[in-house]
Amino acid sequence: GENVEQHPSTLSVQEGDSAVIKCTYSDSASNYFPWYKQELGKGPQLIIDIRSNVGEKKDQRIAVTLNKTAKHFSLHITETQPEDSAVYFCSGANNLFFGTGTRLTVIP
Amino acid sequence: EAQVTQNPRYLITVTGKKLTVTCSQNMNHEYMSWYRQDPGLGLRQIYYSMNVEVTDKGDVPEGYKVSRKEKRNFPLILESPSPNQTSLYFCASSNRQGNSNQPQHFGDGTRLSIL
Repeated sequence: GENVEQHPSTLSVQEGDSAVIKCTYSDSASNYFPWYKQELGKGPQLIIDIRSNVGEKKDQRIAVTLNKTAKHFSLHITETQPEDSAVYFCSGANNLFFGTGTRLTVIP
Repeated sequence: EAQVTQNPRYLITVTGKKLTVTCSQNMNHEYMSWYRQDPGLGLRQIYYSMNVEVTDKGDVPEGYKVSRKEKRNFPLILESPSPNQTSLYFCASSNRQGNSNQPQHFGDGTRLSIL
């Protein structure tokens, strides 16, 4: 199946700083790249997604960039807040395979 | 409210005792799937279903069964649970239509402990 690699596995940032999580994928046919946020005791929830016809998408403090040539996409969170602390998953192969997750901790 | 509902949320049981985890969605989604989440391994797909009476194996199907008799329900069955099936399980659904991929909606998880 598809190979989706996600880095880093853990990330700690000071409140107000930016956080970046990166994923690479192997399936050239992938054209949909969602990011999910999983809070404690909950299932993953979509926070932003991007399709292959654009290179960047932004929603307030969250942005995703896509480089189809290099087969990687990244999640950018600016002005981080304590409520951003969670586990984040990327997904490849058109939403069928997931990265191994990044635990983000925002330190007040 | 649009949601995916799993039951039970927590279960402790013993090796070999058949169990079923139910999953129901109220969004009329065609696509449903089951994942297990283990530390360091992320979400791994167990089984998925593209529509009623259509099911396929995911990455880690061994020891599991599923059925899709109705569009809204997709139960996960462990015929003879073993300790290596101790995990956090998630059901998800989405409105997949051809290549127009849509996000998945997840339930809140079922934590299974097999002793």
